[in-house]
Amino acid sequence: QQQVKQSPQSLIVQKGGIPIINCAYENTAFDYFPWYQQFPGKGPALLIAIRPDVSEKKEGRFTISFNKSAKQFSLHIMDSQPGDSATYFCADHTGGGNKLTFGTGTQLKVEL
Amino acid sequence: DAGVTQSPTHLIKTRGQQVTLRCSPKSGHDTVSWYQQALGQGPQFIFQYYEEEERQRGNFPDRFSGHQFPNYSSELNVNALLLGDSALYLCASSLELAGTEQFFGPGTRLTVL
Repeated sequence: QQQVKQSPQSLIVQKGGIPIINCAYENTAFDYFPWYQQFPGKGPALLIAIRPDVSEKKEGRFTISFNKSAKQFSLHIMDSQPGDSATYFCADHTGGGNKLTFGTGTQLKVEL
Repeated sequence: DAGVTQSPTHLIKTRGQQVTLRCSPKSGHDTVSWYQQALGQGPQFIFQYYEEEERQRGNFPDRFSGHQFPNYSSELNVNALLLGDSALYLCASSLELAGTEQFFGPGTRLTVL
């Protein structure tokens, strides 16, 4: 079964820092890579997504960079805030049916 | 505009019992997917419904079944509950013609004793 390997498992940064979360994928037929943010007791919320024809996408303080040769993509959170403390999941999607395969998650804590 | 809603919020069952979870998709969406999220893990795909039929299924036993109604809402049924079925069950909706973006509900927390 193809997987998405996510790292690190947990991350603590100071307010204003730039946490980076990495995901390595196996499925080379993907057509869409979303990132989800999940707060305790809530469902995942779509944060930002990228398609394989671009190397970087930026939305507000969130940036995805994509390294096709390394089969890896990364989420950067600029000027992180305590409100960004949550669990972040990457996922991949292959065509035909909308199934998402999620990574194992990164628990981020942003300290004052 | 209501997002994805799920009921109930929490549920406690005992081993061997059966459970039904419900999901109403985001307005305008026609596709519903179900995921199981164990504590500390990422969501795992169970199955997806479109046009009232199961279109795709993940690696889950036949004890897990579902249904989609003409109004696009959906149910997830789990028979012969096991302790290991304790998890957060998430429903996600999407619009077939719009492609890939999925919106998740708040989930139903199932505890099996």
